[in-house]
Amino acid sequence: DAKTTQPPSMDCAEGRAANLPCNHSTISGNEYVYWYRQIHSQGPQYIIHGLKNNETNEMASLIITEDRKSSTLILPHATLRDTAVYYCIVRAPNSNSGYALNFGKGTSLLVTP
Amino acid sequence: NAGVTQTPKFQVLKTGQSMTLQCAQDMNHNSMYWYRQDPGMGLRLIYYSASEGTTDKGEVPNGYNVSRLNKREFSLRLESAAPSQTSVYFCASLRVRNTEAFFGQGTRLTVV
Repeated sequence: DAKTTQPPSMDCAEGRAANLPCNHSTISGNEYVYWYRQIHSQGPQYIIHGLKNNETNEMASLIITEDRKSSTLILPHATLRDTAVYYCIVRAPNSNSGYALNFGKGTSLLVTP
Repeated sequence: NAGVTQTPKFQVLKTGQSMTLQCAQDMNHNSMYWYRQDPGMGLRLIYYSASEGTTDKGEVPNGYNVSRLNKREFSLRLESAAPSQTSVYFCASLRVRNTEAFFGQGTRLTVV
């Protein structure tokens, strides 16, 4: 599975959009981009995933660049409850590592009042 | 629908003791995972089971064993606990490829 690079930490003012970047420059054509978040030592929670088209759901939007080498998770109106560690994962449906899900260190997002 | 259930939630062991962490999911998922998370760190994969009857090593398997008892249950065993295994352990399950994983609430293990 392709390796991802995320900034270790970011700040965002409450009510503003939080834009979390992820670099996955070695991504392969069949690899999906997934985002999870972990709030204060709880179990991680799925947010969104995509292959090449932009995706939106009730939690967030995922913007994937045309060359697919990077993506951005957008929380359109961040709230204090969005303070969490956000993980970007890239994995293929038929990866040689089987069905392993490998998390990096993620981005610690702090939403401030 | 309970999702992914881990037991126990907290445990304190003495060095050298053994124990089994239990994980069960009621979503009929095929794949199950065990992770550990040390303070200030991301999740590291210990073992996973792509389907019933199969298990594979992850990034940090040493000191652990696993059993995929049936489709619902995936247990993690520490045969001889060491202080370095003090961590929070998370279990997760995944229905099929390209779907989201669901996580349990974690087991907080301290080895003294």
